[in-house]
Amino acid sequence: NAGVTQTPKFQVLKTGQSMTLQCAQDMNHEYMSWYRQDPGMGLRLIHYSVGAGITDQGEVPNGYNVSRSTTEDFPLRLLSAAPSQTSVYFCASSKSGTGGYEQYFGPGTRLTVT
Amino acid sequence: KNQVEQSPQSLIILEGKNCTLQCNYTVSPFSNLRWYKQDTGRGPVSLTIMTFSENTKSNGRYTATLDADTKQSSLHITASQLSDSASYICVGISNTGNQFYFGTGTSLTVIP
Repeated sequence: NAGVTQTPKFQVLKTGQSMTLQCAQDMNHEYMSWYRQDPGMGLRLIHYSVGAGITDQGEVPNGYNVSRSTTEDFPLRLLSAAPSQTSVYFCASSKSGTGGYEQYFGPGTRLTVT
Repeated sequence: KNQVEQSPQSLIILEGKNCTLQCNYTVSPFSNLRWYKQDTGRGPVSLTIMTFSENTKSNGRYTATLDADTKQSSLHITASQLSDSASYICVGISNTGNQFYFGTGTSLTVIP
């Protein structure tokens, strides 16, 4: 049981480049989400999904796209990277987004945009 | 506006001592409140989850309290260890919207 896995662990992009951050979970969780963590700020929700084929925007969705074609995978796409997207990105999963279910986080992807 | 505020921002204590971290939340409608521990370079790990009807919940040397009337929570760490050095994050969860509201965390450093 690997839990929540994220790849890559580190990434450097040039402004304007695109890339996909991968996230996978093997716990059959319906709820998955992406957060960014910046110094001095709490984790902020980018996008979330309550099941395959269903996604919704969080607090800071601009510049990011997501899709959920399977229960296991929830990739995050940066369409045209900007320096403001330099951050640490965490993927998380839970049985449900409501109620008292545990939320499990991946190890994070540290992204630098130059 | 739903938000979570934590204090202090940072804290340094001697190994073996106790400490208490504070969290004030305004999350409505309220579902539950969580405390996470985040080691440097790692993802957050859940310590406790409390609903509005629970006043206290323990996880080893970690004890969380919740006062739903004053919308305050605290995390008490007993007999601190060097491995307790981490950021502790308070999170409020609403009953609607599948959204989690994170505080900015308290950075705890335990020194020998």
